[in-house]
Amino acid sequence: DAKTTQPNSMESNEEEPVHLPCNHSTISGTDYIHWYRQLPSQGPEYVIHGLTSNVNNRMASLAIAEDRKSSTLILHRATLRDAAVYYCILRDGVIQGAQKLVFGQGTRLTINP
Amino acid sequence: NAGVTQTPKFQVLKTGQSMTLQCAQDMNHEYMSWYRQDPGMGLRLIHYSVGAGITDQGEVPNGYNVSRSTTEDFPLRLLSAAPSQTSVYFCASSYGQGSAEAFFGQGTRLTVV
Repeated sequence: DAKTTQPNSMESNEEEPVHLPCNHSTISGTDYIHWYRQLPSQGPEYVIHGLTSNVNNRMASLAIAEDRKSSTLILHRATLRDAAVYYCILRDGVIQGAQKLVFGQGTRLTINP
Repeated sequence: NAGVTQTPKFQVLKTGQSMTLQCAQDMNHEYMSWYRQDPGMGLRLIHYSVGAGITDQGEVPNGYNVSRSTTEDFPLRLLSAAPSQTSVYFCASSYGQGSAEAFFGQGTRLTVV
């Protein structure tokens, strides 16, 4: 399974943008880059995913490096509710039905009021 | 649309007892999986299934059994509970593509005394 590396923790202020980095130097050409977050005492929830191009949705943006060896999750205007552990995960896009989601330690994001 | 439903939410077992954690999804997803999360840690994959009748081991399968007789249900059995199995257990489901979003249940908090 391709591995990802994230900082253990990050801190930001409310209403400021947050850039969460992820390194995945062994990514294969068919791996999708997924981001999930886990709020306190809850199960993980999907944030965004991408393959090659940058992606935007109502929650966040995903910027993918041209060589795909790193990506950045961007929260445009952080709120207190965004305080969570964020996980960057690679998911195989070739073998249908066999895409294990393997979690690392994630980045614990703290938002200061 | 209930999504992924886990029962029970809390359970206390004595060492050596057996029990089944239930997981059901109503989204007709092929892929289902079980994770455990110990305090301060990321999620670790126990077992997963790519469809009815097909299961496979994840990172930490010892002490757990699974079966997948229907698309909707994926129960996790603890054969003889041990204190080391004290954890929060999450079930997840998704379609079987690498681009698919995974949905997680709210978790079962299990304590083995």
